[in-house]
Amino acid sequence: NAGVMQNPRHLVRRRGQEARLRCSPMKGHSHVYWYRQLPEEGLKFMVYLQKENIIDESGMPKERFSAEFPKEGPSILRIQQVVRGDSAAYFCASSPGQRNEQYFGPGTRLTVT
Amino acid sequence: AQTVTQSQPEMSVQEAETVTLSCTYDTSESDYYLFWYKQPPSRQMILVIRQEAYKQQNATENRFSVNFQKAAKSFSLKISDSQLGDAAMYFCAYRSPQGGSEKLVFGKGTKLTVNP
Repeated sequence: NAGVMQNPRHLVRRRGQEARLRCSPMKGHSHVYWYRQLPEEGLKFMVYLQKENIIDESGMPKERFSAEFPKEGPSILRIQQVVRGDSAAYFCASSPGQRNEQYFGPGTRLTVT
Repeated sequence: AQTVTQSQPEMSVQEAETVTLSCTYDTSESDYYLFWYKQPPSRQMILVIRQEAYKQQNATENRFSVNFQKAAKSFSLKISDSQLGDAAMYFCAYRSPQGGSEKLVFGKGTKLTVNP
């Protein structure tokens, strides 16, 4: 049973470009969570999604950031017009439902130059 | 809002010795979940141990155990017989029991070094 997959593992973008981060949850998992880890910091919750629905986006910046988890395909975290402060590791986790363990992917390290 | 505090940015231990990592949290809820995650240099987040607040018995997983003091809002991790592979960042995390509130709240982490 493959774990949570994230790609790309490393992404370099220039300021003003768009970044798209993908997350494929574990088989049988329909809940996805995105977290951001700034250098020397713990992970910070961004958004919680179920298939086709955003359940909790209380940690998402109000502008430039969006997330989706379509009926088919991976979850996507999209950052428009990236700035240097967006440089961080972005982790995706999945679970089979509420009140279950969250299993983390290996993360995507975004570097904005 | 819940907060998690790890007061030790760095810790070190000799191989085969025991080390305890501290974690305190702030919450007004009576039931919740607490976790310790390990993040080795590969950056993969690995669940080490979990504790439900309604359980009085401290959780144990092989060489890893916790000291859960609910009244003091303290949740320390003890690693016995430390091994070189235990070297990593360790994060304490809190999760609310409220339905729909699935987010994990993490501390800033403790970097553990294991000396041979």
